[in-house]
Amino acid sequence: GAVVSQHPSRVICKSGTSVKIECRSLDFQATTMFWYRQFPKQSLMLMATSNEGSKATYEQGVEKDKFLINHASLTLSTLTVTSAHPEDSSFYICSASRAGGPETQYFGPGTRLLVL
Amino acid sequence: GQQVMQIPQYQHVQEGEDFTTYCNSSTTLSNIQWYKQRPGGHPVFLIQLVKSGEVKKQKRLTFQFGEAKKNSSLHITATQTTDVGTYFCAGDFGNEKLTFGTGTRLTIIP
Repeated sequence: GAVVSQHPSRVICKSGTSVKIECRSLDFQATTMFWYRQFPKQSLMLMATSNEGSKATYEQGVEKDKFLINHASLTLSTLTVTSAHPEDSSFYICSASRAGGPETQYFGPGTRLLVL
Repeated sequence: GQQVMQIPQYQHVQEGEDFTTYCNSSTTLSNIQWYKQRPGGHPVFLIQLVKSGEVKKQKRLTFQFGEAKKNSSLHITATQTTDVGTYFCAGDFGNEKLTFGTGTRLTIIP
């Protein structure tokens, strides 16, 4: 159990366009989902924490108007990179923690975004 | 701010040798977790340590949590080629958010 999926796995887009990434918990309910960004050969940096039915909490330095997060249900959170630029190219990974469960986060397979 | 430092950044070992990565936090942790990320993959949960001084083993992997709950280590005995990847510690400072360490990239020389 505790499977998290992400879609798409890879996306290439033109500069200025918006990209939506979906994160789903397939076999459990996730009250909290987290969005991370990982640049090549670097660690994971938390971007925001998303709770179902409420506004996301963004980490310092992350623009909430650029990285729109919606957590519409207990199994789905979406991250939209608006007006993407080449510097937004990165590996975006979501994770989910189980409702009523331990603090363990289950990670999705990640989405590789390349902005041309 | 709350930081988690990890050393070494890189480690190259001969197959069969042991490997250890260390994690240090600036402040006391609620718990610490360890993840493994294979090249091109995503982090995979290995273990969570909660209690002061806790030691857990998974086959050839031994995880320790310091008495002060500010440091941790992962030790792999007799490394194999399948151990290749980057090992991250991730600290929870009590707010259920994870702060990842910088990671240790392990490469194995056959």
